[in-house]
Amino acid sequence: EVQLAESGGGLVQPGGSLRLSCAASGFTFATYEMNWVRQAPGKGLEWVSYISSSGTSMYYADSVKGRFTISRDNGKKSVYLQMNSLRAEDTAVYYCARGKLGSLGAFDIWGQGTMVSVSS
Amino acid sequence: EIVMTQSPATLSVSPGERATLSCRASQSVSSNLAWYQQKPGQAPRLLIYGASTRATGIPARFSGSGSGTEFTLTISSLQSEDFAVYYCHQYNNWPPTYTFGQGTKLEIK
Repeated sequence: EVQLAESGGGLVQPGGSLRLSCAASGFTFATYEMNWVRQAPGKGLEWVSYISSSGTSMYYADSVKGRFTISRDNGKKSVYLQMNSLRAEDTAVYYCARGKLGSLGAFDIWGQGTMVSVSS
Repeated sequence: EIVMTQSPATLSVSPGERATLSCRASQSVSSNLAWYQQKPGQAPRLLIYGASTRATGIPARFSGSGSGTEFTLTISSLQSEDFAVYYCHQYNNWPPTYTFGQGTKLEIK
């Protein structure tokens, strides 16, 4: 079965750091672009970051640029999101999402999400 | 940034009836538009990509249309499991600066 499973969320103080992980299974991970998308409580979806299949190209939303870093390990079939200088407005459920092959950017598989709460 | 605007914010429809959801882009996104369904406590699910292509396993009652700046998701005969929040998503930019609409909540009338 094709699956993505996030982990690493939790409660962190403003200014703190957290590293999210997303483990893939059931497909050839190294073939796919990956993304992180977040959803603040009761709000809509916000794209956060993209990484190419090889890991050589990364892009970020302006709201996280300079604070978050996306990376991947194709051998471990995992993608990561290092989050530094966290703010209250970063509080959200963070989803990893697979880029659909041939679609240029639709997200065809999503994980169940991991909650990040930034509060003192 | 391309702004995606969905209407209406909430749509009340009876089971068995047709639902029509709209999404407008602030500038052309060609056909690089997807629709997702999200139920409470669940991750979004891809319904439509390329503005009109159903994703794997999506029932034929879901259809998408439009190009450029105006898009529509139609659910032809609503089933109980279709009541959820629906998001449109443009992926036309490169480098990617993907944006989502604010969502339309489809509720039972």
